Parts: sequence; C-alpha cells; structure tokens
Amino acid sequence: EVQLVQSGAEVKKPGESLRISCKGSGYSFSGYWITWVRQMPGKGLEWMGRIDPSDSHTIYSPSFQGHVTMSVDKSISTAYLQWSSLKASDSAMYYCARRPCYYDSCGYYPQWGQGTLVTVSS
Amino acid sequence: DIQMTQSPSTLSASVGDRVTITCRASQSISSWLAWYQQKPGKAPKLMIYRASSLESGVPSRFSGSGSGTEFTLTISSLQPDDFATYYCQHFNSYSETFGQGTKVEIK
Repeated sequence: EVQLVQSGAEVKKPGESLRISCKGSGYSFSGYWITWVRQMPGKGLEWMGRIDPSDSHTIYSPSFQGHVTMSVDKSISTAYLQWSSLKASDSAMYYCARRPCYYDSCGYYPQWGQGTLVTVSS
Repeated sequence: DIQMTQSPSTLSASVGDRVTITCRASQSISSWLAWYQQKPGKAPKLMIYRASSLESGVPSRFSGSGSGTEFTLTISSLQPDDFATYYCQHFNSYSETFGQGTKVEIK
C-alpha cells in the first residue's frame, strides 16, 4: 500500500527556520514526483511546486520560488520542505502528494500525506 | 499562468439533488484536469482525473466532463457523505493550478 506520512505539527517564531518531512512507503520512491500544497486557514489549495526524487529536479510555483526549498533524501525515501526564515503568513497546513506515474499526463494526486500544520507566532 | 475559475463558490442543495460544478480555464488545457473532494480537517481526495476518468473506489454518481476551457463535475444524486468542498486542478509539464473551491452545503 502506498503511504505518505508527514512529520508532526510545528510551532515556530518569526525568523526561525523549519524543515518538515514526507516519508513515502509501499513504492519505489525515486520513480514518482512529490508535490507540496499549501492550505492557509479557511482557504483553498495552492500548488507550491514539485520535486523529482530521482535527481532532485524541482519546479516551483512563481508564488513560492525563493521562499521555500524542496529536497529529498532517497536513502530514506523522504521529501522535505524547508524555510530559512519563517513569517506569520507561512502559518498553514502543508500537504505532500504523489503523482501516479512519472509522465506529464499524470499530474493528478491519488495519494496524499495527512498534512503538517505549521503555526508561526511571536 | 493559467487561471482556473470555479462556480459557484457555494452551493446549497438537498439530498437527492443533481449538482453541477463548473471550472473554467483562462486558456485551453485539453483534458488535463482533475477534481478533488475535501472535508474539514482531511486531505483532499481525488475524484476525477483527465477530466472524465473516475478514480477507483469513487461512487458512480460522480462524473466529469469537458475539454478545452470548460469543465463540469456532476453528482447525479447528492448523498449525505457528499457535503464537502470540491476543487478542480489543472496540470501540465511546468505548472499546476487549483480552482478556488466550491462548498456544497446542506439546504
């Protein structure tokens, strides 16, 4: 069974750094893009970007380029989303999701992590 | 960037109603569209992919149609478990975009 398990909720102060994780299991981790999606409180879904675990090639949404960094550690089948300096406006639920195949035609998401709630407050 | 516009933003309906949600793209996206259902506190659930393909395990009362710039998600007979927020999503080789969502409420 394909599973994506995300790290637990985080409470941080503005200016702090943070890395959250998404661990894949039940499939060949390197074979499928991982996407990150933000959902601010009471708001809709926003595509942040995606990463190819086979070579760490990333595609960022222009809205998030330069504000977050996506990475992977293939040895432990884990993808990461990190911030170097958090802002209060980064408070949101963050989901990882997996494409069902490698190709562009498979840009939809049958599998999702459970979400990681990030709260940034002074 | 391609913009996705859903309508309506909120829909009030009763159990048994036929419900239609529309998603319009700012330019042609062929059939590269998916639909998701999201309930409060839960991750989104894929319902339809490539505009009209029903995801495995999704009830057959859900259907998707359209191509180019206009797409619809139809629930043929609304059930209590269907009250949720629905999102369309466009995807291509270099970007993806979600619609703003349609909340289906109990009338």
